Amino acid sequence: AQSVAQPEDQVNVAEGNPLTVKCTYSVSGNPYLFWYVQYPNRGLQFLLKYITGDNLVKGSYGFEAEFNKSQTSFHLKKPSALVSDSALYFCAVRDGTGGFKTIFGAGTRLFVKA
Amino acid sequence: GAGVSQSPRYKVAKRGQDVALRCDPISGHVSLFWYQQALGQGPEFLTYFQNEAQLDKSGLPSDRFFAERPEGSVSTLKIQRTQQEDSAVYLCASSLRRGGTGPDTQYFGPGTRLTVL
Repeated sequence: AQSVAQPEDQVNVAEGNPLTVKCTYSVSGNPYLFWYVQYPNRGLQFLLKYITGDNLVKGSYGFEAEFNKSQTSFHLKKPSALVSDSALYFCAVRDGTGGFKTIFGAGTRLFVKA
Repeated sequence: GAGVSQSPRYKVAKRGQDVALRCDPISGHVSLFWYQQALGQGPEFLTYFQNEAQLDKSGLPSDRFFAERPEGSVSTLKIQRTQQEDSAVYLCASSLRRGGTGPDTQYFGPGTRLTVL
């Protein structure tokens, strides 16, 4: 069965410092992995996705994610955090066998302090 | 606008009432998904449409939940005889291609917050 784990409920980082939001997954076959961000009273916004190929995926707003097959991880990173990055971040996975379901993690709240 | 829209944005229902939640996907998108997001949790899959065909309804929590997309565009999620445990944000998402064909990006609407008293 597919599953996604975001081990941290909240991540605190100072503005200008690098940030990492962790995600590990379990899926049959090759995974498709996604990161979404959710701002208050708004829907989820797509940040980036891993399909195949390069293990470092670049996405919107300066975010990137590193796919590690051996560790079954897909951590979200940004070299220099902004206060405006403060939001709720969701990791999601879909298996590559043609299924319709996308499984989301419970979310990690990122708080960037000025 | 060009995004996914949902209405109403907020709905308060008394226990036992029926509610209908509407989703307008991005024009031309083949796939449409409904999710339920409980407070403090990630979205949970409810059902999937490919055009007008409901190909997966395995996530619907009970037979009180019903979804339709009769013309392959607008979709309605109906909840009959609402219960307090139905209180959640209901998210709709659409994507361009068929849901089973690879890592198609889903675009989400703002959600409908349902509160059952």
